[in-house]
Amino acid sequence: DGGITQSPKYLFRKEGQNVTLSCEQNLNHDAMYWYRQDPGQGLRLIYYSQIVNDFQKGDIAEGYSVSREKKESFPLTVTSAQKNPTAFYLCASTTPGGGSTGELFFGEGSRLTVL
Amino acid sequence: AQSVAQPEDQVNVAEGNPLTVKCTYSVSGNPYLFWYVQYPNRGLQFLLKYITGDNLVKGSYGFEAEFNKSQTSFHLKKPSALVSDSALYFCAVRDGNYGQNFVFGPGTRLSVLP
Repeated sequence: DGGITQSPKYLFRKEGQNVTLSCEQNLNHDAMYWYRQDPGQGLRLIYYSQIVNDFQKGDIAEGYSVSREKKESFPLTVTSAQKNPTAFYLCASTTPGGGSTGELFFGEGSRLTVL
Repeated sequence: AQSVAQPEDQVNVAEGNPLTVKCTYSVSGNPYLFWYVQYPNRGLQFLLKYITGDNLVKGSYGFEAEFNKSQTSFHLKKPSALVSDSALYFCAVRDGNYGQNFVFGPGTRLSVLP
């Protein structure tokens, strides 16, 4: 079945460590997104990519990095520079373009806890 | 700039009663509007969308939403609530004329009481 796979589901990190969250999709979507979810704050955009080898910062990109070497993959690295990384991270994808009417498809999320 | 408001943090309704979850939006161009549902520790599931055409949109699991351009609203409705509808609901908007980004509201927690 087509969809988005995020891993790991749960991740624990010590302060000062970088961690990478995986996001893979087989929907043939060009556009991929990373959101952060905190209780009561909805979803906030971290990074997005419209096409391979190109990505843009979202509203809260500081302390995060991404790469888009393949259409199917959009990994997110949470660096030690992110001051409050404990959150639920959601990856999503869609068909891009100004005329696109497509909705976002979401993965099941990764919960990161800093110890 | 785009924005979405969901004025109620929490909505409580008895099973079998109709439910409404409210959403208002602001966007410069044509609004593309979406509703999603989230269960605990899960990703968001798409329910329905309004792009153009009929103001009443029908979606998954018996949900529907009414687009009202003059009130810039897109309220989610269901004629008869189920306990299993209890979840977190998000409204989102995208500017159909330009811009690639979806803006989400803060979410409304729906509790359906047996």
